[in-house]
Amino acid sequence: QQQVKQSPQSLIVQKGGISIINCAYENTAFDYFPWYQQFPGKGPALLIAIRPDVSEKKEGRFTISFNKSAKQFSLHIMDSQPGDSATYFCAASIDGNQFYFGTGTSLTVIP
Amino acid sequence: NAGVMQNPRHLVRRRGQEARLRCSPMKGHSHVYWYRQLPEEGLKFMVYLQKENIIDESGMPKERFSAEFPKEGPSILRIQQVVRGDSAAYFCASTNILDPGGLRGSEAFFGQGTRLTVV
Repeated sequence: QQQVKQSPQSLIVQKGGISIINCAYENTAFDYFPWYQQFPGKGPALLIAIRPDVSEKKEGRFTISFNKSAKQFSLHIMDSQPGDSATYFCAASIDGNQFYFGTGTSLTVIP
Repeated sequence: NAGVMQNPRHLVRRRGQEARLRCSPMKGHSHVYWYRQLPEEGLKFMVYLQKENIIDESGMPKERFSAEFPKEGPSILRIQQVVRGDSAAYFCASTNILDPGGLRGSEAFFGQGTRLTVV
């Protein structure tokens, strides 16, 4: 059973465009929602994270939008760059225990 | 401050052999997770360990797979009698849950992974 559902599986965006990746969850006990970025041949690295007491968090060109009632959260990458081309994973956990990951989104930013 | 270290980076085993994957968590971290990654399948949770304890092994196949995290030394993921279907990238992550209420205290740091190929 997939605890965190992620879409789309792949995404192609023009340079300068906005990349949007969506995730949904069922377990209302989740209280920590990180996004990880993974380049080929590397391990995932934390990009940005949010807790459910806020609806949005922004760090540079990366923004998480969080909708607690809908149990959905999304990653927005503004002004997407070719260097952003990577696989992105959303995740959810309870108190930092047991991280459940989405299936990943392969993002390609075309110059 | 060394990150999570996994070795070997690449491992080739013949069918029926044993594979041992090692993970040294970040300094001071006492929680380790193992994940398996197959192409286009994301990260699948296998097992969650604290020092000398298995907390959750619900994602680990019941047969041939085992994991440990001893008081001293790295965490080991062991796959006995490997089959072709075990070929994947195996990642470990570590956390140190000192501050569950804080954001950074929950961060999971990943290693570079071990790519297992069964021939």
